[in-house]
Amino acid sequence: GAGVSQSPSNKVTEKGKDVELRCDPISGHTALYWYRQSLGQGLEFLIYFQGNSAPDKSGLPSDRFSAERTGGSVSTLTIQRTQQEDSAVYLCASTATAVENTIYFGEGSWLTVV
Amino acid sequence: QKEVEQDPGPLSVPEGAIVSLNCTYSNSAFQYFMWYRQYSRKGPELLMYTYSSGNKEDGRFTAQVDKSSKYISLFIRDSQPSDSATYLCAMRVYTGGFKTIFGAGTRLFVKA
Repeated sequence: GAGVSQSPSNKVTEKGKDVELRCDPISGHTALYWYRQSLGQGLEFLIYFQGNSAPDKSGLPSDRFSAERTGGSVSTLTIQRTQQEDSAVYLCASTATAVENTIYFGEGSWLTVV
Repeated sequence: QKEVEQDPGPLSVPEGAIVSLNCTYSNSAFQYFMWYRQYSRKGPELLMYTYSSGNKEDGRFTAQVDKSSKYISLFIRDSQPSDSATYLCAMRVYTGGFKTIFGAGTRLFVKA
């Protein structure tokens, strides 16, 4: 595709429910990132996929968060048993290669937990 | 202490002013230094990146890196209302794979 595509763009969910956020990176991009952005907190790194290597999960805040990337393309971020503090914008990004400096971001999935 | 510190602002300036945005960092292993611009309800987009200490200019924008002080700056000359956005500094480090760490972002308002 022309850019990084994320869905849903907005999601309101009840506390305790599970949510899935989807990311379609730019075609051919080997590296994929998930970040979380809360008001005034900047971008918090969550997880990084590079090709067939084991993902870097060092940023996942708890075991309620998980992500997978199927076929080296589409990625899904899953949040189980959502809490109000999970409310944030979840941004997906991709780069052409692991060493590429330009990170291309999607427009984010705005999650509100009520 | 966060690895990258950035004042969230907001910063409000009149049109035509010179804007100075800054970040400090603690990890001397950072190799690449970037500035991203983020408009409201959009994803960040890369504005500039640099590798070495010194200045890099692109039109009205100048990125400055001082590795000895662990300090980076972005200057915007002749600021325009269209420059109103959040500016995030970012730094990359290799830790078996490249990781990019972002600052909190500074909200800039340029008043016409």
